[in-house]
Amino acid sequence: QKEVEQDPGPLSVPEGAIVSLNCTYSNSAFQYFMWYRQYSRKGPELLMYTYSSGNKEDGRFTAQVDKSSKYISLFIRDSQPSDSATYLCAIWGAQKLVFGQGTRLTINP
Amino acid sequence: GAGVSQSPSNKVTEKGKDVELRCDPISGHTALYWYRQRLGQGLEFLIYFQGNSAPDKSGLPSDRFSAERTGESVSTLTIQRTQQEDSAVYLCASSLFYGTDTQYFGPGTRLTVL
Repeated sequence: QKEVEQDPGPLSVPEGAIVSLNCTYSNSAFQYFMWYRQYSRKGPELLMYTYSSGNKEDGRFTAQVDKSSKYISLFIRDSQPSDSATYLCAIWGAQKLVFGQGTRLTINP
Repeated sequence: GAGVSQSPSNKVTEKGKDVELRCDPISGHTALYWYRQRLGQGLEFLIYFQGNSAPDKSGLPSDRFSAERTGESVSTLTIQRTQQEDSAVYLCASSLFYGTDTQYFGPGTRLTVL
């Protein structure tokens, strides 16, 4: 079993839709949860970071963590074509950052 | 300010050749990380450096892979006797300190082994 599982998609939605991206993880000791965004042929960039259960909001983005279920989510409201990218969840655990496979998202105008 | 830079951006090599990939971290960042990203996959941790401490090489896939870092500056990742399965994007990241500090990534080196 992989330490972090993420549906690779691809996911294609119309502009303005609400997008939900999800990951599950196996180790309950994992503490810090991150979402990275990666545009084509670029390095990932940190989008959001949280370490507690519950929701954290930043503009159109909301990160949600449910430690009891070992489940994390990223919601994008009012999605824009510029949000088209690969989204990677990442969890700090076992002294390293463990990444999900990444979900490729396309927002259609 | 300048971000993390990597060179070359693309590298095509023949099976069995050695390659050297370079990473210039953000100035002042004590921690440096190397990752491998195969097509359509997430990032696979390879190695990290923290200051002058011995590097954590636990993620290196074989003894054909090695990495060095000069102080808190440039790092090189060397792959000897390249194989086709080494084809991937190699990403470098740096952070102020090792741990949960934000990692800033370079654009990567796309390696193709023919």
